Amino acid sequence: KAGVTQTPRYLIKTRGQQVTLSCSPISGHRSVSWYQQTPGQGLQFLFEYFSETQRNKGNFPGRFSGRQFSNSRSEMNVSTLELGDSALYLCASSVAQGGTAGELFFGEGSRLTVL
Amino acid sequence: DAKTTQPPSMDCAEGRAANLPCNHSTISGNEYVYWYRQIHSQGPQYIIHGLKNNETNEMASLIITEDRKSSTLILPHATLRDTAVYYCIVRPWGSGNTPLVFGKGTRLSVIA
Repeated sequence: KAGVTQTPRYLIKTRGQQVTLSCSPISGHRSVSWYQQTPGQGLQFLFEYFSETQRNKGNFPGRFSGRQFSNSRSEMNVSTLELGDSALYLCASSVAQGGTAGELFFGEGSRLTVL
Repeated sequence: DAKTTQPPSMDCAEGRAANLPCNHSTISGNEYVYWYRQIHSQGPQYIIHGLKNNETNEMASLIITEDRKSSTLILPHATLRDTAVYYCIVRPWGSGNTPLVFGKGTRLSVIA
């Protein structure tokens, strides 16, 4: 059974640009959550999608957005990039909303560097 | 904010048991204790969870005190591959709209 797949794994952008990250959940999983990980702030929740609807959102500015498609694949977008957006962006999938059983399956992440 | 307190780092000799403590003194009756770990440059990995009874799976054992204010994750025979950051998280069961909140975790170093 394939795990959570995130693309691209690494990318470099400059300030002011935008970026789109993709996440393919485990087959059969309908919930996708996104987290940002930085050395200073650790793992922080961005948002969660279930059945193409955003169900929960963390404390991030509106520059961070996402969506989920009918096949449960998800994308997140960051517009007007800032240096502080440099981070590892992690996607996690679960069978039910929010990982009702508490078990989230994480991908290996997309490492974004903003210059 | 995370509702748990963990030591920032611990060392363990290879082959010995690694006992990772977690304090969650404000845990509510409907909150479970979850453990995840993150090996360098990988996404977090689910290990185990429990409510009030001790739990064991192929990866680890979870011991929760009777008052549920603290718990210990036990890796019975630590290997070098267990070197990782271990996160203890409390979260209500079945709370689909409550995200996992990660604290700073414990960095476990398994030494040969």
